[in-house]
Amino acid sequence: GQNIDQPTEMTATEGAIVQINCTYQTSGFNGLFWYQQHAGEAPTFLSYNVLDGLEEKGRFSSFLSRSKGYSYLLLKELQMKDSASYLCAVRDAGKSTFGDGTTLTVKP
Amino acid sequence: DTAVSQTPKYLVTQMGNDKSIKCEQNLGHDTMYWYKQDSKKFLKIMFSYNNKELIINETVPNRFSPKSPDKAHLNLHINSLELGDSAVYFCASSQDARGAASKNGYTFGSGTRLTVV
Repeated sequence: GQNIDQPTEMTATEGAIVQINCTYQTSGFNGLFWYQQHAGEAPTFLSYNVLDGLEEKGRFSSFLSRSKGYSYLLLKELQMKDSASYLCAVRDAGKSTFGDGTTLTVKP
Repeated sequence: DTAVSQTPKYLVTQMGNDKSIKCEQNLGHDTMYWYKQDSKKFLKIMFSYNNKELIINETVPNRFSPKSPDKAHLNLHINSLELGDSAVYFCASSQDARGAASKNGYTFGSGTRLTVV
């Protein structure tokens, strides 16, 4: 089966750095994705990791350790518009299984 | 141009009715999906089609029947709607062929908010 865990909620201050963790236990692994979803909108793709290490893309970075079943999404220089849900998804056998998402609130 | 478009955006209907949701993608992707997002925001796979062929069919009631007339379209028909079917249904597409990993992830439609009363 698939089991993906993320914190339910996080709060951070504008301009700060926040790290959202994701741990997974899946029967197979073919990549890990992070998505951002604003309230009432569709999820949008942020990042993809299939090898261990850090992938940096502007203010967002994503890290993967396959041996530990662990990933994190790092958001730097937080902006108010970063308030959203962040979904970790593990790809296996042609489909992606999503975690429940972490609701991030950015405060002034 | 909308990459993945689904209609309608909102759907309110009575229990027992039959309804359809349509999805179209103009990205040239091979694979399309239906996901259900419930009130707790949990996003769960329902179906996946690769080039018109059903490749994933999760444990979904038989009342839900997907149809893919071509690889750019994946529609979802729901018979005998129940209160528990109320959710947001997202259509998505990805470039990859069956089993292959795609570094571009999914492109989602804007969602159809279904309310069964």
